[in-house]
Amino acid sequence: QLVLTQSPSASASLGASVKLTCTLSSGHSSYAIAWHQQQPEKGPRFLMKLNNDGSHSKGDGIPDRFSGSSSGAERYLTISSLQSEDEADYYCQTWGTGIHVFGTGTKVTVL
Amino acid sequence: EVQLLESGGGLVQPGGSLRLSCAASGFTFSNSAMSWVRQAPGKGLEWVSAISGSGGSAYYADSVKGRFTMSRDNSKNTLHLQMNSLRAEDTAEYYCAKGYCTSTSCHPLDALDIWGQGTMVTVSS
Repeated sequence: QLVLTQSPSASASLGASVKLTCTLSSGHSSYAIAWHQQQPEKGPRFLMKLNNDGSHSKGDGIPDRFSGSSSGAERYLTISSLQSEDEADYYCQTWGTGIHVFGTGTKVTVL
Repeated sequence: EVQLLESGGGLVQPGGSLRLSCAASGFTFSNSAMSWVRQAPGKGLEWVSAISGSGGSAYYADSVKGRFTMSRDNSKNTLHLQMNSLRAEDTAEYYCAKGYCTSTSCHPLDALDIWGQGTMVTVSS
C-alpha cells in the first residue's frame, strides 16, 4: 500500500533552516513526490516536484530558499533563511496506479 | 495569469446532491489533467478524483467511488464534480488542481501544480 509518512510538527528560529521529511512506504522508494505549502486560511500552493534522484522542478515564483533532496525512500524539503510567512502546513503528495496519496502534513512554526 | 476558480459549494442535507464547478484560465485546459482534492475542517488533504485532458480516463478515491462523478467541458474550460448520496463525512473544502505536465505529456497521475482557492461543502441536516 502506497503511504507517505510525515512528522506532525517542526520548528526553527527566524532566519534559520528547517528540513522536513516525507517517507515513502516499503516497495515505493523510487517514486517521485510533490511538496505543497498551505498557509493559514489559504489554499495549497505547489512548491516542487521531487524525483528519486534528487532532481526537482519548482513552481513559478518559489524562492531559492526552498530546496528538495532525496535519499532512498526519504524525500526532503529544506527551507533556508526562514521567514515568518513560511509558517504553514507542508504536505507531500505522490501517485500510483489509479490513485493520488497525500501525507498527513507537517506544521512548521517559526520561532 | 494561471487561475482556477471553484464554485457550487453550500449546505446540503445527507443523501442530497451537489455539483461543483471549476473555471480554468491562463493555460491550455484541454491538454491538462485535473484533480479534485478536499480538506475536512482541521484535517489534512485528501485526494478525491482525477481526470485526463480528454476526459476519457477518470480515477476516484474509494471513499467516493460510485457516488461522485468528475467531468469536464473543454469548450468552456470548466471542470465539474457531481456529488450524489452525500454524507456528513463529505463535509470539506473542495479544491480543484491542475496536473503537472512534462515536456511531452500531462498525465492524470502526476504532481498537482496549480490550485484553486476552494469551495466549502457542508453536509448536515
